[in-house]
Amino acid sequence: GEDVEQSLFLSVREGDSSVINCTYTDSSSTYLYWYKQEPGAGLQLLTYIFSNMDMKQDQRLTVLLNKKDKHLSLRIADTQTGDSAIYFCAESMAGGSYIPTFGRGTSLIVHP
Amino acid sequence: EAGVTQSPTHLIKTRGQQATLRCSPISGHTSVYWYQQALGLGLQFLLWYDEGEERNRGNFPPRFSGRQFPNYSSELNVNALELEDSALYLCASSGLGDNQPQHFGDGTRLSIL
Repeated sequence: GEDVEQSLFLSVREGDSSVINCTYTDSSSTYLYWYKQEPGAGLQLLTYIFSNMDMKQDQRLTVLLNKKDKHLSLRIADTQTGDSAIYFCAESMAGGSYIPTFGRGTSLIVHP
Repeated sequence: EAGVTQSPTHLIKTRGQQATLRCSPISGHTSVYWYQQALGLGLQFLLWYDEGEERNRGNFPPRFSGRQFPNYSSELNVNALELEDSALYLCASSGLGDNQPQHFGDGTRLSIL
């Protein structure tokens, strides 16, 4: 079955880059998602990538995929206090049940 | 474009009561998903509805049920509430297909006293 692992916490200084990591287990074609959850809110879709891609960039966000190691990362450039939130990685198998498997989330704390 | 909307925002019940949570998907989305987010447990998949049918169900007891209406909105019903049902219940919607990501509402906070 699918399993998605994330570290629980990351603390960075404002203006630095943040890198949030995720590992997954499914080896077939898959979609990989990053979501952001601010306090009291639902999950906001940030970006997603298909497993035939290595990288995707969208403004301050860069997603890197290492298929060999089944490792996904989300880099946030010039991290701001407004980026403080919980970030969830999720995996969905292509041609599967359409139900993503979510990691437990990484709590990003940005301090001045 | 309006996002996924959920109501109520907060719901307070006592043990043994029944709760009904509502969700309206993004216009054009036919699939609705329900998740439970309890403290320290991450997102747990509850139910998936598409075109009015239940398509998949997570590992939850039968007292968690729901339905999807012809306009694709959905209800989640929880009977015989227990203290451990206290959680944030999130609804998501998507179009049908592999590359259709889920979009989430802001959730209903259910508190059981």
